[in-house]
Amino acid sequence: EADIYQTPRYLVIGTGKKITLECSQTMGHDKMYWYQQDPGMELHLIHYSYGVNSTEKGDLSSESTVSRIRTEHFPLTLESARPSHTSQYLCASSELRDGEQFFGPGTRLTVL
Amino acid sequence: EDQVTQSPEALRLQEGESSSLNCSYTVSGLRGLFWYRQDPGKGPEFLFTLYSAGEEKEKERLKATLTKKESFLHITAPKPEDSATYLCAGQKLVFGKGTKLTVNP
Repeated sequence: EADIYQTPRYLVIGTGKKITLECSQTMGHDKMYWYQQDPGMELHLIHYSYGVNSTEKGDLSSESTVSRIRTEHFPLTLESARPSHTSQYLCASSELRDGEQFFGPGTRLTVL
Repeated sequence: EDQVTQSPEALRLQEGESSSLNCSYTVSGLRGLFWYRQDPGKGPEFLFTLYSAGEEKEKERLKATLTKKESFLHITAPKPEDSATYLCAGQKLVFGKGTKLTVNP
C-alpha cells in the first residue's frame, strides 16, 4: 500500500479565500505531482517537482502555486479561490519513471 | 500535440464475459504507456507499464498489450470487483478520459 496522504479530503470555501492543499508521502520519492480532475474527465497535470527546491508547471495552466521545501511535502496553494477552481485535486509521487505513480486519495474542492 | 484516446467510454459486461479496452495514442517519442485503475472517489492505482510494441503484461484477470499505435487492456472472465474506470497515459503524463467498466453479477 502506497503511503501518500492528502488533507483535507473535502473542502467547501467561499470566493476569495486563500487555501492550501496538503500532500505528504513517506516513501522518500523525489518526484511529486499535482493533477486536476473534473468528474468524468481526464487528469490534467498542473505542477510537478523532481526534487527539493525544484518545481515546474504542467500542461494545464493553473492559478495555483506549489513549493517543495522538504522531500516528503508538496503543498498546493490558491491565493484567491474562485468557483472555477472547483474540482478534484490529486497528488502523486514516483520513485523512478514518471508514468509509474502512487496517487493520494484526492481533495475535492468546492468554491462557492 | 500528444494525445491519448480511450474507447469505449463505458462498457457494461456480465460476470465472466471477457472483453478488451482500447487506448490509442499519438505521443512523440513514446517511452512508455501506462495503465491505471481508478475507483470512484479515489486516486488512480498503477497497473502496468509497457515500453515496446509486442510487449505484454499480466495481473490476475488483466492483460495489457502494446502495438506501435495502440494498447489494449484485455479482461478475462471479469468479476464485479473489476468494476472501475481504467485509464491509460503516455510517458509525458498525458492521460486519456478512461473507460468506465461495470461488471454485473
